[in-house]
Amino acid sequence: GQNIDQPTEMTATEGAIVQINCTYQTSGFNGLFWYQQHAGEAPTFLSYNVLDGLEEKGRFSSFLSRSKGYSYLLLKELQMKDSASYLCAGRNQAGTALIFGKGTTLSVSS
Amino acid sequence: NAGVTQTPKFQVLKTGQSMTLQCAQDMNHEYMSWYRQDPGMGLRLIHYSVGAGITDQGEVPNGYNVSRSTTEDFPLRLLSAAPSQTSVYFCASRDRGNTGELFFGEGSRLTVL
Repeated sequence: GQNIDQPTEMTATEGAIVQINCTYQTSGFNGLFWYQQHAGEAPTFLSYNVLDGLEEKGRFSSFLSRSKGYSYLLLKELQMKDSASYLCAGRNQAGTALIFGKGTTLSVSS
Repeated sequence: NAGVTQTPKFQVLKTGQSMTLQCAQDMNHEYMSWYRQDPGMGLRLIHYSVGAGITDQGEVPNGYNVSRSTTEDFPLRLLSAAPSQTSVYFCASRDRGNTGELFFGEGSRLTVL
C-alpha cells in the first residue's frame, strides 16, 4: 500500500517552531519529499530524504525514519509567508512517480 | 527559462465534450506526470511517463488518456468530460537524477458543467 497520512491543519505564531508529521506504509516508498504550496500556486520543492536522519536547509529541516514509516518537516522562526500547505510525498519503489499525501495547511498568525 | 508550460490556464466544458490539456517542458526531463488537485484530496497522480513512447497509469487514470511522442510534450486528453473531472490539473517533470525534484507547471483550472 502507499497511504500517506498527515494532519489536515495546523496553526502557529510568528517566530515559533512547528513540526509537521507524515506517516506512510513502509513497504511503499523509496524516498520522501516535502513540497510547499501557497494558495492558488503550484507546489515547490522543499526537501528530500532517502536515508534515515535529518536534512537541514536554512529554516527548514526534514527527518526520515524508514523503519518506522515516519517523516517530519520542521519549520523554525516562523514567518507569515510560511502560511501555506505542506505536502508530503513518497517516491514509488520503481522511482518513476511521486505519490502525495493530502497536505497540511499551516496558518501562521502574528 | 520557460520550465513547464501548461495551456490553457482556465477552461469551461460541458458534460460530454472533449479537450486536451497541453504540457511542454524545455529542460530535457525524461519523467513527466499529470496530477489533479481537489479540495481535501491533495494531489492525485493521473498518468505518468518515463520517456518518449512510454506511459503508465497513476492513482486515478479513468477518463483520461495520455501520449508521449516527444521528450518535450505530454498532453492529457479528456475524451468525454464529466462534472467529476472539475479540478485543477498540474503537469510536472523531473530528470532521472536521484533527488527526484518535481518541477510543476502553473496549473490548469477545468470546470465541467
